[in-house]
Amino acid sequence: EVQLVESGGGLVQPGGSLRLSCAASGFTFSSYEMNWVRQAPGKGLEWVSYISSSGSTIYYADSVKGRFTISRDNAKNSLYLQMNSLRAEDTAVYYCARVEAGPYYMDVWGKGTTVTVSS
Amino acid sequence: NFMLTQPHSVSESPGKTVTISCTRSSGSIASNYVQWYQQRPGSAPTTVIYEDNQRPSGVPDRFSGSIDSSSNSASLTISGLKTEDEADYYCQSYDSSNLWVFGGGTKLTVL
Repeated sequence: EVQLVESGGGLVQPGGSLRLSCAASGFTFSSYEMNWVRQAPGKGLEWVSYISSSGSTIYYADSVKGRFTISRDNAKNSLYLQMNSLRAEDTAVYYCARVEAGPYYMDVWGKGTTVTVSS
Repeated sequence: NFMLTQPHSVSESPGKTVTISCTRSSGSIASNYVQWYQQRPGSAPTTVIYEDNQRPSGVPDRFSGSIDSSSNSASLTISGLKTEDEADYYCQSYDSSNLWVFGGGTKLTVL
């Protein structure tokens, strides 16, 4: 079964750091581009970051650029999001999503992990 | 960068047809493909339309997508509405900087 499972969320104080992980299974992880997408409480979806299959190409939303770092370990079938200098507005459910490369869209999503930034 | 604007909410009765719009603020709607994602309460999003009008396997043909260059918008149409279609729907496209852009989402109520 194709599956993505996020972990690493939790409560963190403003200015703190957190590292999210996304474990992939059921498919050849190294062949797929990946995204992180977040959703603040009661709000819509917001794209956060993209990484190519090899990790050589990376993009960020302006709202997280310079604070968040996306990475992947294809040997471990894992995707990561290092989040530094966290702000209250980063509070959200964070989803990892696989990018289908033929037709280009997010075809598999994890269930998400919740990040709460509060003192 | 551009924005994708959706109505905040729509409602319709079971068995009827509803259309959700997604208007691009600048640049042509036809210049980048539009996707539509369905998100039921408490669940992760799933794709119902990709590349403007293509349905992933498993998505019923009650769901269809289109674009209209004259209004610079994309539309998601759901016919034969069922109570299970009640969800939030998001359009998504890409900008010239390879950034992914979501619309604000539309809450569909089937009453």
